[in-house]
Amino acid sequence: GNSVTQMEGPVTLSEEAFLTINCTYTATGYPSPFWYVQYPGEGLQLLLKATKADDKGSNKGFEATYRKETTSFHLEKGSVQVSDSAVYFCALSPNAGGTSYGKLTFGQGTILTVHP
Amino acid sequence: EAGVAQSPRYKIIEKRQSVAFWCNPISGHATLYWYQQILGQGPKLLIQFQNNGVVDDSQLPKDRFSAERLKGVDSTLKIQPAKLEDSAVYLCASSILTSGSYEQYFGPGTRLTVT
Repeated sequence: GNSVTQMEGPVTLSEEAFLTINCTYTATGYPSPFWYVQYPGEGLQLLLKATKADDKGSNKGFEATYRKETTSFHLEKGSVQVSDSAVYFCALSPNAGGTSYGKLTFGQGTILTVHP
Repeated sequence: EAGVAQSPRYKIIEKRQSVAFWCNPISGHATLYWYQQILGQGPKLLIQFQNNGVVDDSQLPKDRFSAERLKGVDSTLKIQPAKLEDSAVYLCASSILTSGSYEQYFGPGTRLTVT
């Protein structure tokens, strides 16, 4: 089955620092990668996604490029804010075709804390 | 648009007791998922429905867990009897096919503590 590996955390940064959270995966076929975010006390929210190789997903200043050759979908942000403090999950869905209907395999999550 | 609703938000039970969780997905979403999230880990899929049929329940501990979605809308997940290791947050999600992929929308979760 599919598996997702995220860089181990937690990650602590100062405001305006550059952020990278690594995500690599093993999968068959043509999966779709996602990043979900969980803010303190809230549920999981979709942050960004990609559907085909070399797609770049972006949202709220975050970006991630789907690299099939390295089976990676690393999350980046050029200048983090205190409000970005949250847990970030990389996830993978099988190709939309067939009977998988989008089930997700999640990484273990990375806790990000941003200090003023 | 209303989001995915779950209840209760919190539940504390003793081991060997039974418990049930309820989920109402976003209107029109045919696919519904139940995930288990143990503290410090990512969510793990327990069961997935397409309308009222089960698509994947390969990771559901069927000796104690059961789930149903009788009319293809809301769903219940039951644990009977509960074990200490069932302490976790139980997440319900629903999805719809958008631009070639399924975007899942998650409910707030039910935090279960088994003592």
